[in-house]
Amino acid sequence: AQKVTQAQTEISVVEKEDVTLDCVYETRDTTYYLFWYKQPPSGELVFLIRRNSFDEQNEISGRYSWNFQKSTSSFNFTITASQVVDSAVYFCALSELTGGGNKLTFGTGTQLKVEL
Amino acid sequence: DAGITQSPRHKVTETGTPVTLRCHQTENHRYMYWYRQDPGHGLRLIHYSYGVKDTDKGEVSDGYSVSRSKTEDFLLTLESATSSQTSVYFCAISEVSGTGTLEAFFGQGTRLTVV
Repeated sequence: AQKVTQAQTEISVVEKEDVTLDCVYETRDTTYYLFWYKQPPSGELVFLIRRNSFDEQNEISGRYSWNFQKSTSSFNFTITASQVVDSAVYFCALSELTGGGNKLTFGTGTQLKVEL
Repeated sequence: DAGITQSPRHKVTETGTPVTLRCHQTENHRYMYWYRQDPGHGLRLIHYSYGVKDTDKGEVSDGYSVSRSKTEDFLLTLESATSSQTSVYFCAISEVSGTGTLEAFFGQGTRLTVV
């Protein structure tokens, strides 16, 4: 069975601090995808990034960066110079590609609070 | 947003009443999913569909049924709502694009309260 663990339930930082959100996953699949979604207070789920299991290159998008390490089954997310608008719940998810399309297994989410 | 629309966006219903939530998509995606979001659980899969009239159960399917009579609509029904089904429900589509990239997008969510 697949599993995603986001051990950090809530993180509070002061604006401009860097923050890393941890994601550890378990799967027996050799081919899979990992996702990060942002859920702001308005409630929608905003897609941030998708990474397939064959691509271990780190990715940077503006203030966001992701570190994918298959050796430790981790896909961590770093926000550099955090801003109040980054306050949200962040979900890490793992796709199962066998049958049924691409069912997602989510972590329990990390609530990030960025304060002035 | 991949053309996904959920309705209603908010609903309050009484225990024991039937409730149907609708997910409508405009881009002919084959796979559609219903998830529920609860504090401490993240999102959990209820049911999914891999084509018209083709559906299957997810992790938390008890008390729910689904139907997909046409590609664009995926309905989630609570036959007899219970307070434990108070939740936020998300519809999603997932597809491998022509370039081989997996895409997964969500609707805006439906907040259901069972009193």
